[in-house]
Amino acid sequence: SQTIHQWPATLVQPVGSPLSLECTVEGTSNPNLYWYRQAAGRGLQLLFYSVGIGQISSEVPQNLSASRPQDRQFILSSKKLLLSDSGFYLCAWSGLYGYTFGSGTRLTVV
Amino acid sequence: SQQGEEDPQALSIQEGENATMNCSYKTSINNLQWYRQNSGRGLVHLILIRSNEREKHSGRLRVTLDTSKKSSSLLITASRAADTASYFCATDRLSGNTPLVFGKGTRLSVIA
Repeated sequence: SQTIHQWPATLVQPVGSPLSLECTVEGTSNPNLYWYRQAAGRGLQLLFYSVGIGQISSEVPQNLSASRPQDRQFILSSKKLLLSDSGFYLCAWSGLYGYTFGSGTRLTVV
Repeated sequence: SQQGEEDPQALSIQEGENATMNCSYKTSINNLQWYRQNSGRGLVHLILIRSNEREKHSGRLRVTLDTSKKSSSLLITASRAADTASYFCATDRLSGNTPLVFGKGTRLSVIA
């Protein structure tokens, strides 16, 4: 069966520090992968998606970047975090009948 | 840009009652999906309804889709305290393999 792993679960980082969030998928090949961000009590904002290795589409210009170095690995990064980068980050992959989400990373930038 | 918008933003009901949440969207779609999110967790896929379907059932869930009105509803029958969560609708776009766009969600509280 397919599973998706996202870590860490929580992260507190100072302003100006770098960020790396990792997401890996098991049990499927060549998945479409997504990074979403959710502000407190709000809906999901699509940040990046990828249809294959090295292929990244950015939906919102911002302080973040994404990479897909391997087929089932999707990484969200920042060189210098801003306070506004705080939020709940969710990775997902799309199957035939819908998306499967990771458990999310709660990022607090202080 | 926001595609789906849920209504109401929050809903509080007694256990055993039915809960109805609505979703409106703007552009033509291939399918519409409903997801559930427990507080602080990832989203869980509930049900997918295609643009050529009008109604779909899954257990205590009933979803309707009216493409002429660009709207959908999610009905949870005989609600339980464990149904307390946020519910989101999500749509793709008719143009093809596009990421899902999510609404802001309805926060459902079921009181025992």
